[in-house]
Amino acid sequence: GAGVSQSPRYKVAKRGQDVALRCDPISGHVSLFWYQQALGQGPEFLTYFQNEAQLDKSGLPSDRFFAERPEGSVSTLKIQRTQQEDSAVYLCASSLTARIGYEQYFGPGTRLTVT
Amino acid sequence: GQQLNQSPQSMFIQEGEDVSMNCTSSSIFNTWLWYKQDPGEGPVLLIALYKAGELTSNGRLTAQFGITRKDSFLNISASIPSDVGIYFCAGDSSYKLIFGSGTRLLVRP
Repeated sequence: GAGVSQSPRYKVAKRGQDVALRCDPISGHVSLFWYQQALGQGPEFLTYFQNEAQLDKSGLPSDRFFAERPEGSVSTLKIQRTQQEDSAVYLCASSLTARIGYEQYFGPGTRLTVT
Repeated sequence: GQQLNQSPQSMFIQEGEDVSMNCTSSSIFNTWLWYKQDPGEGPVLLIALYKAGELTSNGRLTAQFGITRKDSFLNISASIPSDVGIYFCAGDSSYKLIFGSGTRLLVRP
């Protein structure tokens, strides 16, 4: 289909390992968002890209979290030296325009478990 | 920071019944979105609301954007088993979305 795709769908990492999570947004979508969803909670904002520019990274929990979207399409969320509290579902969403408050379409998420 | 209060947290309903859930906020939003999330999947957009007072339908779903811009409700008519899942409201804070904590819907066949 033409929806947002994410890989891997599941990732188990040992504490201290680095991980990289990939997001392929809907083709042509300008805006890309990363959210973190803890068990039983709603998603929480991490970071926002408009094309290749990262306009807001205020939601990233620590400097161990890094996101990039170098060509304005695919994005990667990297977590260095993973900790148990990083265990969560990481959701990517894209939006057609940069218009404020426009609809965001989500991928299936990557479930990260840190042991 | 901005918070959304979503209620009820969960509800059991009989198949065929109508369902209502709502969200309230201490802040004004310019957009309200309603999503449904199934286990192991990402949220799926159900309805988007852009104007205060707006009432929008999508099949058996109806949602309204409150006139004060601080609340929204979602109604599901004639519920069926596949309506089971978690429903989230979300309001825009500039470009990012603020989500409620979800309403878990369980349907008795």
